[in-house]
Amino acid sequence: QSALTQPASVSGSPGQSITISCTGTSSDIGTYDHVSWYQQHPGTAPKLMMFGVSKRPSGVSIRFSGSKSGHTASLTISGLQVEDEADYYCTSYTDSHTWVFGGGTKLTVL
Amino acid sequence: QVQLVQSGAEAKTPGASVKVSCKASGYTLTSYYMHWVRQAPGQGLEWLGRINPSGADTIYAQKFRGRVSLTRDTSTSTDYMEVTSLTSDDTAVYYCARDGHDWNFDFWGRGTLVTVSS
Repeated sequence: QSALTQPASVSGSPGQSITISCTGTSSDIGTYDHVSWYQQHPGTAPKLMMFGVSKRPSGVSIRFSGSKSGHTASLTISGLQVEDEADYYCTSYTDSHTWVFGGGTKLTVL
Repeated sequence: QVQLVQSGAEAKTPGASVKVSCKASGYTLTSYYMHWVRQAPGQGLEWLGRINPSGADTIYAQKFRGRVSLTRDTSTSTDYMEVTSLTSDDTAVYYCARDGHDWNFDFWGRGTLVTVSS
């Protein structure tokens, strides 16, 4: 199972919006809505930010939103804040009954 | 509150095995699946496998089948992950992560650093 494809880095200024893409195949994102997103700050464990493509866990800012089209899922962060600077990972359930992660995207808030 | 407390850092030599524990509290272990994920230094997250609520069923990423074993001790609410035939490529932080009943990893342990070096 190959890793999902994410851009290595994205950047934006405070207040702007950015979108991180996550491209898979018909064996994962293209078939299942079991896509979730994780935020990881340096030296800490990942934190769940989005699940089921577009569902926000309790406590996660409404500035975070998710979507999916075909084989590609996306995480959008609006009204960028300095504390949003982190690494972001997508993951999807697969038809092998396993999970696969994306390679990760480093978000820089300029 | 939900907590996953992992065992401490380990230093191993190539060819050895390591067993990492993950003690759950604040919820009923036998009601949830548990996943294990690793992260090599400076690298991304990699899914290793998952154990079912009763501990009777496991599934592993193809890359780790035969070398990674997940077990569950329901009497102590503790999950274990064992990796055999270690190489330097296995140097990583290993995380346990609870499956939140919705195909996601809703709570994570703080991670256990396993260093493999001769």
